Amino acid sequence: EVQLVESGGGLVKPGGSLRLSCAASGFTFSSYIMNWVRQAPGKGLEWVSSISSGSNYIYYADSVKGRFTISRNNAQNSLYLQMSSLRAEDTAVYYCARDKPQPIYASDIWGQGTMVTVSS
Amino acid sequence: DIQMTQSPSSVSASVGDRVTITCRASQGLSSGLAWYQQKPGKAPKLLIYSASSLQSGVPSRFSGSGSGTDFTLTISSLQPEDFATYYCQQANSFPRTFGQGTKLEIK
Repeated sequence: EVQLVESGGGLVKPGGSLRLSCAASGFTFSSYIMNWVRQAPGKGLEWVSSISSGSNYIYYADSVKGRFTISRNNAQNSLYLQMSSLRAEDTAVYYCARDKPQPIYASDIWGQGTMVTVSS
Repeated sequence: DIQMTQSPSSVSASVGDRVTITCRASQGLSSGLAWYQQKPGKAPKLLIYSASSLQSGVPSRFSGSGSGTDFTLTISSLQPEDFATYYCQQANSFPRTFGQGTKLEIK
């Protein structure tokens, strides 16, 4: 079964750090663009970051640039999001999502999400 | 950055109705317009990609159309399970951006 499972969310104080993980299974992880998308409570979806299959290309939303780092370990079928200098506005459910095979750019597989709460 | 504007922000409809949701991009898109469905507490689900291609397993009552800056998602005959929030997303360029969402409610 094709699956993505996020972990690492929790409660963190403003200015703190957190590392999210996404474990992939059921597909050749190393062949796909991967993404992080977040959703603040009661709000819409916000794209956060994307990483190419070989980590050559990395992109960030302006709202997280310089504070978040996306990475992947293809040998371990894992995607990561290192978050630092966290702010209250980073509070959200964070989803990892797989793109369809290139050259199609849409996310067809999503994890269940992990909640990050930034509060003192 | 490309801005995506969805309309309406909410719509009330009945089972069996035909519903159309519109998404307008601030710049022309050469490719990469997708539609997602999200139910409360669940992850988004891909419905349509490349503006008009139906994702595998998605009922044929869902269809997408459009090009350039104007795109539509149509549900031909609403079913009870279709009441949800719908989002468009452009993946033509980074940053990828979502529309603000359209909440489809039961009349």
